[in-house]
Amino acid sequence: SQQGEEDPQALSIQEGENATMNCSYKTSINNLQWYRQNSGRGLVHLILIRSNEREKHSGRLRVTLDTSKKSSSLLITASRAADTASYFCATDAQEYGNKLVFGAGTILRVKS
Amino acid sequence: ETGVTQTPRHLVMGMTNKKSLKCEQHLGHNAMYWYKQSAKKPLELMFVYSLEERVENNSVPSRFSPECPNSSHLFLHLHTLQPEDSALYLCASSFRVETATGELFFGEGSRLTVL
Repeated sequence: SQQGEEDPQALSIQEGENATMNCSYKTSINNLQWYRQNSGRGLVHLILIRSNEREKHSGRLRVTLDTSKKSSSLLITASRAADTASYFCATDAQEYGNKLVFGAGTILRVKS
Repeated sequence: ETGVTQTPRHLVMGMTNKKSLKCEQHLGHNAMYWYKQSAKKPLELMFVYSLEERVENNSVPSRFSPECPNSSHLFLHLHTLQPEDSALYLCASSFRVETATGELFFGEGSRLTVL
């Protein structure tokens, strides 16, 4: 497995439901970031959580980090059709030269 | 609009062509990056520049040649590409190379198709 691995690979939900995406990684990290990508577009930064933080919120987004399990989750509450996109976690780890390493992403589809 | 502009957005080229991708950032950042995004694969970091100096080259074939003439501009020169090089090429910038304190700002990407 790779440094950052998202689960599930794809998720389809109804508008108004919550969406949860998970990210697992292998090495100790400095921080973990979540990005969003609309189809065929660039990535947009959503949130950064440091290794000494356990939870962060930004609007309808909630990110948790469990360093003992080497995992993070991104929760989008009250989803909207406009949330349809791919979501990527990216880890910053000394073992990888302090460069961001991205996972393959979770494709989220929100049906209206 | 993220402040990072990539041109062209779409490019189709034959295997013997020479073309270039351009990236420009107006954010005052000192670090710029090229990533390759292929279908169903994680983003692959290709090159990193810090203050116009290349600090990373991730075993990228020589048919890809980066150029960073100043901290605001980054080019990717393409020559004798292969069909498997078809992908979305993303440029990004950050305040500095070390990412512990910040995020990457991405451009919209250049979709490259090699025939």
